[in-house]
Amino acid sequence: DAKTTQPTSMDCAEGRAANLPCNHSTISGNEYVYWYRQIHSQGPQYIIHGLKNNETNEMASLIITEDRKSSTLILPHATLRDTAVYYCIVSEAGGTSYGKLTFGQGTILTVHP
Amino acid sequence: DTGVSQDPRHKITKRGQNVTFRCDPISEHNRLYWYRQTLGQGPEFLTYFQNEAQLEKSRLLSDRFSAERPKGSFSTLEIQRTEQGDSAMYLCASSFSGANSPLHFGNGTRLTVT
Repeated sequence: DAKTTQPTSMDCAEGRAANLPCNHSTISGNEYVYWYRQIHSQGPQYIIHGLKNNETNEMASLIITEDRKSSTLILPHATLRDTAVYYCIVSEAGGTSYGKLTFGQGTILTVHP
Repeated sequence: DTGVSQDPRHKITKRGQNVTFRCDPISEHNRLYWYRQTLGQGPEFLTYFQNEAQLEKSRLLSDRFSAERPKGSFSTLEIQRTEQGDSAMYLCASSFSGANSPLHFGNGTRLTVT
């Protein structure tokens, strides 16, 4: 799987949008971008994934650049409960390698009141 | 959907003892995964099952580790002759086998080997 690079930490004010960047310059054509987050003392939680089109769900939006070498996860109105470690992962969508996710160290997002 | 359940949540054991953890996946999911997470690091893949078949094991999974998933439902992870380096959070996840089915993780079993 391609490697990802994320900032170690970020801060965001409550109610503002949180924009979390991720670089994945070696992504291959059949690899998707997945985002998970992990709140303290819990298991990782799936947020969103995409191939090349921008995606939105009830939790977040995912913006992928046209060359697919980077992406941004957007939490539109961050709350204190969004404080967590956010992982950007690149992986194939299916086959035998699917589910064998390679987690980096992620971005620690701290939302302040 | 009651989520992925893991038991126990915490386990303290002495070096050299055997321990066993249990994972109950989401009932409709046919894939089940085990990951390990040490302090300050992201989770690392250990092994996964499709139904009852164990399809892959990571090099991280030494001979002291064994996982089973009888009847393709719950799974157990056993560690024999525990070492202090085994201290970690052991996470279980499940998913459908279809493409892009997201993984649903449990809240893990935290193992401390003294």
